[in-house]
Formats: sequence, structure tokens, C-alpha cells
Amino acid sequence: EVQLLESGGGLVQPGESLRLSCAASGFTFSSYDMSWVRLAPGKGLEWVSGIRDSGDRTYYADSVKGRFTISRDNSRDTVFLQMSSLAAEDTALYYCARMVVIGVNTNLDYWGQGILVTVSS
Amino acid sequence: AIQMTQSPSSLSASVGDRVTITCRASQAIGKDLGWYQQKPGKAPKLLINAASRLQSGVPSRFSGSGSGTDFTLTISSLQPEDFATYYCLQDYDYPWTFGQGTKVEIK
Repeated sequence: EVQLLESGGGLVQPGESLRLSCAASGFTFSSYDMSWVRLAPGKGLEWVSGIRDSGDRTYYADSVKGRFTISRDNSRDTVFLQMSSLAAEDTALYYCARMVVIGVNTNLDYWGQGILVTVSS
Repeated sequence: AIQMTQSPSSLSASVGDRVTITCRASQAIGKDLGWYQQKPGKAPKLLINAASRLQSGVPSRFSGSGSGTDFTLTISSLQPEDFATYYCLQDYDYPWTFGQGTKVEIK
């Protein structure tokens, strides 16, 4: 059974940093690209970042570029999201999701339950 | 970044109604679009990929159409379990972008 378990969330002050982790199980982690998606209170889903299976390529939303860094450790089946210079608008439930190729398209087929990040003074 | 404009932002409908949600891309994206359903407190679920391909296990009352810049998600006969928020997501180019979401509520 595919499982994705996020951790590392919490309450931080503006300007601080936080690192999220997502531990994967039930599939060959090193064969899949991974993404982070967030849901801010009262807002819609926002794709945040993605990383290729080998970790050699990373992608970011314009809203987080330069502040967030995605990485992965395939020996530990874990993907990370290092978040710095956090602001109130980064407050959200952060989901880790597996990216799967279906035909010629890539989609998000399995998701974690999400981890809450609150940025507030 | 490609902008996805989804409408309406919310709608009220009754069980049995036909519901249509649209998504417009700011540039042509071929058929590189998926539709997701999210219920409160739950993770999103992939319903349709490549604009029109129904995922395994998704009821046939859901369908998707469109290509280029204009896409549609249709629920042919709304069921109680379909009340949720629906999002389109373009996977044509990074950064991926979601539509703003459509909340389907009970009339």
C-alpha cells in the first residue's frame, strides 16, 4: 500500500525557516518524481515544488522560488521541503504527492494527509 | 507561468443535476490537464487525466473534454458523494498551476 507521511510542520515566526519531510513507503520511491502542494486557509490548491526521481532537476512555483528548496534522499525514501524567509502567506496545509506518468502526462496519484505550517508572530 | 482560470468559483445544485465546470488556460496546453476532487479534511483525488481519460475506479458520470485552452469537467447526474471542491491542474509546463477551484454545494 502506497503511503506518504509528512512531518516537520508547526508554528514559526515570520522570517524563520522550517523543513518538511515526507516519508514514502509501498512503492519504489527512487522511480518516481515527487511534488509538494499546499492549501492555504480559505484559498485553493497551489502546486509548490517538484523534483525528478533522481533529484537532478527541481521546479518551483514563482511564489516560493528562491525561498524554498526541495530535495530527496532515495536511500531513505524521503523528500524534503526546506522553507526559509517564511511569511504569513505561507501558512497552509502542505501535502506531499507522488507524480505518476499516465500515457504522456504526469499527474498526482497518491497524496499524504498533509502537515500544517503556521507563520505568525 | 501559465494561468488557469476556473469557473464558476462555486455552484449550488441538486442531486441528479448535470453540472459543468470550465477551466481556461492562458496559453495552449494541448490536453495536458487533470481534474481533481477534494472533500473537506481529505487529500485531493485524481479524477481525470489528459483532459478526458477517466481514472480507474472513478464513476462514469464524470467526464472531461477540451484541448488547447478550454476544458470542461461534467458530472452528468450529481450524487450526494460528489459535493466537494474541484480543481483543474495543468501539467504542460513547470511551474504547474491549479485553477482557483469550484465548490459544488447542495441546493
